[in-house]
Amino acid sequence: GAGVSQSPRYKVTKRGQDVALRCDPISGHVSLYWYRQALGQGPEFLTYFNYEAQQDKSGLPNDRFSAERPEGSISTLTIQRTEQRDSAMYRCASSLPGTGSPLHFGNGTRLTVT
Amino acid sequence: SQKIEQNSEALNIQEGKTATLTCNYTNYSPAYLQWYRQDPGRGPVFLLLIRENEKEKRKERLKVTFDTTLKQSLFHITASQPADSATYLCALGAGNTDKLIFGTGTRLQVFP
Repeated sequence: GAGVSQSPRYKVTKRGQDVALRCDPISGHVSLYWYRQALGQGPEFLTYFNYEAQQDKSGLPNDRFSAERPEGSISTLTIQRTEQRDSAMYRCASSLPGTGSPLHFGNGTRLTVT
Repeated sequence: SQKIEQNSEALNIQEGKTATLTCNYTNYSPAYLQWYRQDPGRGPVFLLLIRENEKEKRKERLKVTFDTTLKQSLFHITASQPADSATYLCALGAGNTDKLIFGTGTRLQVFP
């Protein structure tokens, strides 16, 4: 079946604009995660959902960042009033329920704020 | 604060040798640990899971150990091949949450 799909693949935006990044998880996957990854670094946790409920948002850098998953499937990560420091690869992952279930990652959205 | 450390320098080894990668953590009591492989431009891909009550796990040429006293996991690739060249990430999870925290990753280069 299809893997985790993220769109757009690349996004270039001007400082101060809002952006919305989309994640379509693997069908049947209950948990959905958002990470941010800088070049040469590991993924940095942002937030995760079980079904439509946001379980942990402790990794969101500030209140310009928000995420939602209203129907327990597709999720959107929104960054308001973007700043250059927001430039990074944003990765989404999904997993089946159960402690220790492997995460399946998408290919990410490369965000560049100019 | 919680910290997960992996060798920041690349590991270069000759084909056929065993590669050993290290993952150390502090201020954390994980219930399980996972290892992922990441190729350039791609998302991480799951390799192995080991739980806190397990000392060792094997899968084909891969072996993972988990020492909760030393707060360390070792990841071994035996009979390494150039195709094993990639970045390897460890990730830790607690038992009361599905939150998964990743280390910085170690780049492995296997030379023919």
